[in-house]
Amino acid sequence: DTAVSQTPKYLVTQMGNDKSIKCEQNLGHDTMYWYKQDSKKFLKIMFSYNNKELIINETVPNRFSPKSPDKAHLNLHINSLELGDSAVYFCASSSGTGQFFGPGTRLTVL
Amino acid sequence: EDQVTQSPEALRLQEGESSSLNCSYTVSGLRGLFWYRQDPGKGPEFLFTLYSAGEEKEKERLKATLTKKESFLHITAPKPEDSATYLCAVLSYSGGGADGLTFGKGTHLIIQP
Repeated sequence: DTAVSQTPKYLVTQMGNDKSIKCEQNLGHDTMYWYKQDSKKFLKIMFSYNNKELIINETVPNRFSPKSPDKAHLNLHINSLELGDSAVYFCASSSGTGQFFGPGTRLTVL
Repeated sequence: EDQVTQSPEALRLQEGESSSLNCSYTVSGLRGLFWYRQDPGKGPEFLFTLYSAGEEKEKERLKATLTKKESFLHITAPKPEDSATYLCAVLSYSGGGADGLTFGKGTHLIIQP
């Protein structure tokens, strides 16, 4: 009965490849997010998605694109991966009173 | 731009030794202040949301308080299983760049038996 789930947990890939991370929530929340946690453990918002409205943090490269097939899913697509994209990516969902995070996907770009 | 500063960066306590973690913030219109616990290799685990100055919330050995400029997470008689990184975050009307939370860098807490 996992609330927010992500797959895969680990992702190792070569520079220049395109990859996707999947996220699903079964909490019935309206808003979903993607966060990036860098090597210094600092969490930073990348996107929020609510009822087909996407809000993008201006610092996020356009190689990153979230896609939501339905209210319970928000997948993250990354094109032309770079070394600096290596990090842990967290999906989260919110009903307004708190954000609930998934277990994270550790992306390593070689 | 919203800013969140947590102190200390790291704290080592003996089991049963109470202490407090600090989170100071600067926002243009606070919608909520959040505390999370993060264990190694896991996602942040939601603890509390505080909305207005003077508000307090408790959960087991943890108590969170809020003023207009900072929040404290008080840990009473901690146990080794309380060891984790504690994260503070704010949600403001100006948004975190994508209507998300703005996080501090966390306090790494170690409770020694």
